[in-house]
Amino acid sequence: GNSVTQMEGPVTLSEEAFLTINCTYTATGYPSLFWYVQYPGEGLQLLLKATKADDKGSNKGFEATYRKETTSFHLEKGSVQVSDSAVYFCALSDPQGGSEKLVFGKGMKLTVNP
Amino acid sequence: DSGVTQTPKHLITATGQRVTLRCSPRSGDLSVYWYQQSLDQGLQFLIQYYNGEERAKGNILERFSAQQFPDLHSELNLSSLELGDSALYFCASSPKSGVGYTFGSGTRLTVV
Repeated sequence: GNSVTQMEGPVTLSEEAFLTINCTYTATGYPSLFWYVQYPGEGLQLLLKATKADDKGSNKGFEATYRKETTSFHLEKGSVQVSDSAVYFCALSDPQGGSEKLVFGKGMKLTVNP
Repeated sequence: DSGVTQTPKHLITATGQRVTLRCSPRSGDLSVYWYQQSLDQGLQFLIQYYNGEERAKGNILERFSAQQFPDLHSELNLSSLELGDSALYFCASSPKSGVGYTFGSGTRLTVV
């Protein structure tokens, strides 16, 4: 079946540090890939997405490239801020059978200190 | 405000009881999804409805059921509650495939 494996952390960084969160996936079809972020006490928000190989998703300084050859979708940000402290989830959807259900990784908690 | 409304935000109930969680999707979104988030299982897909019909089923227990009404709001019914059902229950909606969901802020269920 489909699955997502991501770094679980928790990770603590200083402000302006470089961030990479690794994510790899297993899928039977041609999935779309997503990164969601969950701030404390809130629901999940879509951070970025990519729907086909070599697509790059970007938003708020975060980037991730859909790499079919390595089945990866690593999240990066060049300079993190305190406001980036949250839990980050990698996810895929493989719409076989007409469903857009998402399969999530376990999430990684990021804390950014000033 | 994401546009997806979930009520109630918090719910505390006793084992063996039944509760109903409600979700109103974003205007125009036909698909509604329910997810359970717990510390040990992470985020698990429960069920999807599309325009009133069940589209996909995930790890949903037989004690749980859901429906989507003609006005597109959805309800998740949880019965014979157990301590292990304590979790955050999220609803999400989407207009079409491949664009990602919009999640509600969740209902935190505590079973005591």
